[in-house]
Amino acid sequence: SQQGEEDPQALSIQEGENATMNCSYKTSINNLQWYRQNSGRGLVHLILIRSNEREKHSGRLRVTLDTSKKSSSLLITASRAADTASYFCATSRGTGRRALTFGSGTRLQVQP
Amino acid sequence: DTAVSQTPKYLVTQMGNDKSIKCEQNLGHDTMYWYKQDSKKFLKIMFSYNNKELIINETVPNRFSPKSPDKAHLNLHINSLELGDSAVYFCASSRFLTSGGAYEQYFGPGTRLTVT
Repeated sequence: SQQGEEDPQALSIQEGENATMNCSYKTSINNLQWYRQNSGRGLVHLILIRSNEREKHSGRLRVTLDTSKKSSSLLITASRAADTASYFCATSRGTGRRALTFGSGTRLQVQP
Repeated sequence: DTAVSQTPKYLVTQMGNDKSIKCEQNLGHDTMYWYKQDSKKFLKIMFSYNNKELIINETVPNRFSPKSPDKAHLNLHINSLELGDSAVYFCASSRFLTSGGAYEQYFGPGTRLTVT
């Protein structure tokens, strides 16, 4: 399977609820990033967490990283219809490889 | 202000043709990338350039040839297009992390290529 796999593949919630997406990866990493992609658009960077960090917040976003389990989670609190998008985790290894390896994404649908 | 721009946004062409996609960034970044996103939304790195030097070249058919005339531009030329080349191609840019790993990347809007 691929580096960076999101779970679930699809998630449908009501506005105001929290949305949690998980990401697992296989190799050691330098940092892990989360991106959002609205339909028909490019990816937008949301948050970056380094391998020596365990948790990071940005507005309504909370990201955790567990390097022992090779997993990360993205929590969106008080979701809005505008949060409807696909969310991707991307990992970066620290061994000179500077490109990101993306997972397959979680499609989030927030019902108004 | 557009940070990373790509042209064209849509490209419909027949098998066997040669086509190019252009990318420009005005962020002052020195590293640029090409990614391919397939119909299942899986995004895969194809190439990366740092200061006009190729630093990543994934297993991509040699029909695909990137060209970086300067660090603000990275173009993608595709020869002898095949049906399987149909996808969305994204250009991205970032700063260059000398110790390895990667900074956040800024993506263009994508070019949807359809080969008939």
